[in-house]
Amino acid sequence: RKEVEQDPGPFNVPEGATVAFNCTYSNSASQSFFWYRQDCRKEPKLLMSVYSSGNEDGRFTAQLNRASQYISLLIRDSKLSDSATYLCVVNMQTGGTSYGKLTFGQGTILTVHP
Amino acid sequence: EAGVAQSPRYKIIEKRQSVAFWCNPISGHATLYWYQQILGQGPKLLIQFQNNGVVDDSQLPKDRFSAERLKGVDSTLKIQPAKLEDSAVYLCASRPDRSSYNEQFFGPGTRLTVL
Repeated sequence: RKEVEQDPGPFNVPEGATVAFNCTYSNSASQSFFWYRQDCRKEPKLLMSVYSSGNEDGRFTAQLNRASQYISLLIRDSKLSDSATYLCVVNMQTGGTSYGKLTFGQGTILTVHP
Repeated sequence: EAGVAQSPRYKIIEKRQSVAFWCNPISGHATLYWYQQILGQGPKLLIQFQNNGVVDDSQLPKDRFSAERLKGVDSTLKIQPAKLEDSAVYLCASRPDRSSYNEQFFGPGTRLTVL
């Protein structure tokens, strides 16, 4: 089983649609969780952190369910500029130290069309 | 604030040749990472430095890959000899400290093609 698994995608949605991405992780000791966005041929950039209480940033809402080891990202009112790959990222402790290791999912491609 | 710098941006080599990549993290960032991103996959951590010490190189293919960060600032990643399956984007990232809650900042990457 992969450490971080995401919806295979790709997602192809019209402008204004609502789209949801799901992600599961295998290590229950994981500490912190993120969604990164990666545009074509660019580097990943942090979209938002994910907190147990859920958090929202404009049209984006992230949820974390530690019991189910499940993370989600909801995008409302999709824009053309939302087209990108969305990477689910989990920070796991390694070897009993406090140095976290980021593990990335394979990414889900989103294309928003007019 | 200047971002993470990497060079070269592109490199094409033949298999069995050697190649080196350079990374200069954001000033003051103690933690530096090298990732390998194969097309269609998420980045995979190769090595993590805290200042000039290695804290995780469990996924680094040590028979052919090496990395150093001698003065705790910039870093080089070397592949010797390269194989076809090393074709990927090599991303460098840095973070202010080891806190697992801090954002990692990525450089633009070096796109390596091995022929």
